[in-house]
This record gives sequence, structure tokens and C-alpha cells, in this order.
Amino acid sequence: AQKITQTQPGMFVQEKEAVTLDCTYDTSDQSYGLFWYKQPSSGEMIFLIYQGSYDEQNATEGRYSLNFQKARKSANLVISASQLGDSAMYFCAMSPLNTDKLIFGTGTRLQVFP
Amino acid sequence: EAGVVQSPRYKIIEKKQPVAFWCNPISGHNTLYWYLQNLGQGPELLIRYENEEAVDDSQLPKDRFSAERLKGVDSTLKIQPAELGDSAVYLCASSLSYREWGNEQFFGPGTRLTVL
Repeated sequence: AQKITQTQPGMFVQEKEAVTLDCTYDTSDQSYGLFWYKQPSSGEMIFLIYQGSYDEQNATEGRYSLNFQKARKSANLVISASQLGDSAMYFCAMSPLNTDKLIFGTGTRLQVFP
Repeated sequence: EAGVVQSPRYKIIEKKQPVAFWCNPISGHNTLYWYLQNLGQGPELLIRYENEEAVDDSQLPKDRFSAERLKGVDSTLKIQPAELGDSAVYLCASSLSYREWGNEQFFGPGTRLTVL
């Protein structure tokens, strides 16, 4: 069965610093998709970044980058130059082969302080 | 472009009462999802629609939950009767098509249900 593990319940980072949010996954599929979503206190899930298991290069979207290590089954999110508005819950998710079903982890609460 | 719209945003009911949630997806999005998010957890898929057809409802507790998407646009999720354990946030999401692997899902703000 597929599973996403986020071991950091909460993280603190100072404004303008970089932070890494950990994500490991478990799957027997050879091909799959990996996602990161941000959930602010308002409740909606905001898509941040996507990585296909077949992609050799790490995905980047502005200040977000995904550190994908397939052999270790890890897909850590790196946020560079943190901003106060980055304070939110962050969820890692996986999509099995040939489906867009998302399996989410339990999330990490990030707090950015001045 | 308008996002996914959900109503109500908050609902408080007594146990054994019925409740319904409404979702209007982004215009042109064929695929619609309902997720359940318990406190401190990530969302879990309840049901997925491709147009008006439920293509994945394996996680929907069919004894008390039902959903419909009659015209392939907006959707309603119903619980009857509600139980204390149903207190959670119910999220709706939409995407262009589930056939596109890696297709981004756009989420609504959710409905926070409290059952007393």
C-alpha cells in the first residue's frame, strides 16, 4: 500500500532563511507523481510543486524546489528566502500510476518569524 | 477565473440530523473530488466524479453518505444521519481530467462540520 510520511509536526524558520520540509513515501510502483500543497488557516489547499518519478531533474517553482531522491524514496520541499506569508500547513502527497488519486501525509506546520 | 466554491463554510448540527454540502468546481473542469480532512490529518478521498459518473467511491461510507453530480457540474455531498465522528472539514476539488497524470487539483475552502 502507498503511504506518505511527514515526520516533522512543526518547523520554525526565520524570515529570509531557507527551510526544508521532509517527506518520505512508500510504494511498489515504478512510476508515480509527488506533490506538495500548502494549506493556510483559511482552509484551501494550494498546489505548490509537482515531481514525476521519471523526471531526472528536481522540480522548481519560484522559491519552491523539490529535492527528489528516488533511491531513498524522499521528496523534500525546500523553501528559499522564507516569508511571513509562508506560515501554514504543508502537505506532501503521492499519486499512484495511471490515476490522479492523491494520498496525503499528515502535514508539517511551518511558522516563519521575523 | 473563479475558484472552487463551497457552501456553507461552517455547519453545526446535532447528531442524527442530516446535512448537505455543495460544491461548484472551476468552469470546464470535468473531474470533481470530495475529500474528508480530520483534525491534524491530511485529506482523504471520499469520491471522485468524471463528469456525472462516480468513477471512484470506494472510500465513501455508503450507509450514511451519498453524493451526486447530476449535470456533471456542481455536486452535493450528504450525510444522513450525522454522527459525532463526522466532525471534520469536507473539501471539494476539481481538475481538468483525471486522465492527465500529474494533473493539478484545485481545492475549495472546505466546509467545517461540527456534530454535537
